Amino acid sequence: DTAVSQTPKYLVTQMGNDKSIKCEQNLGHDTMYWYKQDSKKFLKIMFSYNNKELIINETVPNRFSPKSPDKAHLNLHINSLELGDSAVYFCASSHGTGVLWKAQYFGPGTRLLVL
Amino acid sequence: DQQVKQNSPSLSVQEGRISILNCDYTNSMFDYFLWYKKYPAEGPTFLISISSIKDKNEDGRFTVFLNKSAKHLSLHIVPSQPGDSAVYFCAAAEGGTSYGKLTFGQGTILTVHP
Repeated sequence: DTAVSQTPKYLVTQMGNDKSIKCEQNLGHDTMYWYKQDSKKFLKIMFSYNNKELIINETVPNRFSPKSPDKAHLNLHINSLELGDSAVYFCASSHGTGVLWKAQYFGPGTRLLVL
Repeated sequence: DQQVKQNSPSLSVQEGRISILNCDYTNSMFDYFLWYKKYPAEGPTFLISISSIKDKNEDGRFTVFLNKSAKHLSLHIVPSQPGDSAVYFCAAAEGGTSYGKLTFGQGTILTVHP
């Protein structure tokens, strides 16, 4: 059973389109994250939700909107896609309290290519 | 402004020898450090971590050393195995209410030759 899963794995789309990436975890964690890995390979945090509440919101264009329907799901919706949005997007999850939160478990990534 | 840096993009090691991966940081507020391993087309996998109250943490073949005064940490893999070939990311977190915000380095590609 996959602990953290993301769909789709690959996404190729045109500039200006709107797309969504879904993430689900079956680890019973209460905190979930979205990271972006850019062309320089840096992994940068975008958002984090704890118990469906937004707790980390980095400097990300407001075209990106996360939604957490429940503790096990964190989706990422992107409006008006731009060329610079092309990247690998990783979802992750962890326990939300104490030192355990720092061991985050990552999904396999969604490779987004904007043409 | 990269607060966590891995200055070696790649490292090549013979099987059975020691692999040493290095990481430097600039933010004095970081108090917890982690190493992640990543295979192609997969997400990063947590490997080992260390709190700033320690200077060494060991887990099997993997040992992480922390030098707070130098703001430097390293991951030692002994002995190295071909299956260790992957990208290794160093990550750091602040204490208090940073609540899961990890800052990653850009990774080092480790290749272990049989």
